[in-house]
Amino acid sequence: GNSVTQMEGPVTLSEEAFLTINCTYTATGYPSLFWYVQYPGEGLQLLLKATKADDKGSNKGFEATYRKETTSFHLEKGSVQVSDSAVYFCARGTGRRALTFGSGTRLQVQP
Amino acid sequence: GAGVSQSPRYKVAKRGQDVALRCDPISGHVSLFWYQQALGQGPEFLTYFQNEAQLDKSGLPSDRFFAERPEGSVSTLKIQRTQQEDSAVYLCASGLWSPMIERTDTQYFGPGTRLTVL
Repeated sequence: GNSVTQMEGPVTLSEEAFLTINCTYTATGYPSLFWYVQYPGEGLQLLLKATKADDKGSNKGFEATYRKETTSFHLEKGSVQVSDSAVYFCARGTGRRALTFGSGTRLQVQP
Repeated sequence: GAGVSQSPRYKVAKRGQDVALRCDPISGHVSLFWYQQALGQGPEFLTYFQNEAQLDKSGLPSDRFFAERPEGSVSTLKIQRTQQEDSAVYLCASGLWSPMIERTDTQYFGPGTRLTVL
């Protein structure tokens, strides 16, 4: 089937720490992969995406690389800020239309 | 505005009432999706429109859920005889259809409607 698994939160880090949020997916074909972010009180926003194997998506200092061999799309950032506190969702394109989301990982960054 | 808008933002209904949730997609976006997001979970797909055609409604949880997009722009998700298990945030997303890859490019989400059924 089509599923996305991401690490459970909350993840609590100090400012300027390194961030990794793991995401793996089940592979049927070559789906597009996405990270969405949901800031408190706001809607889902696209953070970055990758459409084929070995692609690296990047935005606002966040990066994720499409790894077909490990069916993973881990999110990383070298130095987090308090303003990065949010819920992060990994997602894959399913068939031609819908997205399948992971359950979300809450990140809390402390000053 | 430039983004996807949804109304109302909050809706409280008594069990058994009917509700209607509205989505205004980004102008020109062919694709429109509805998702349901339970507390602490990721969004789950409900239904998909391409223009006015409802091409996939496999995620609708029961026949009490009905969606329409009669003119290929605004969409309404209707829930009849609401139950407590319908309490969730209902998200609408729109996007451009990409014929090259035969799928919707990036989906842009609205702020959601939080439905609480008492």
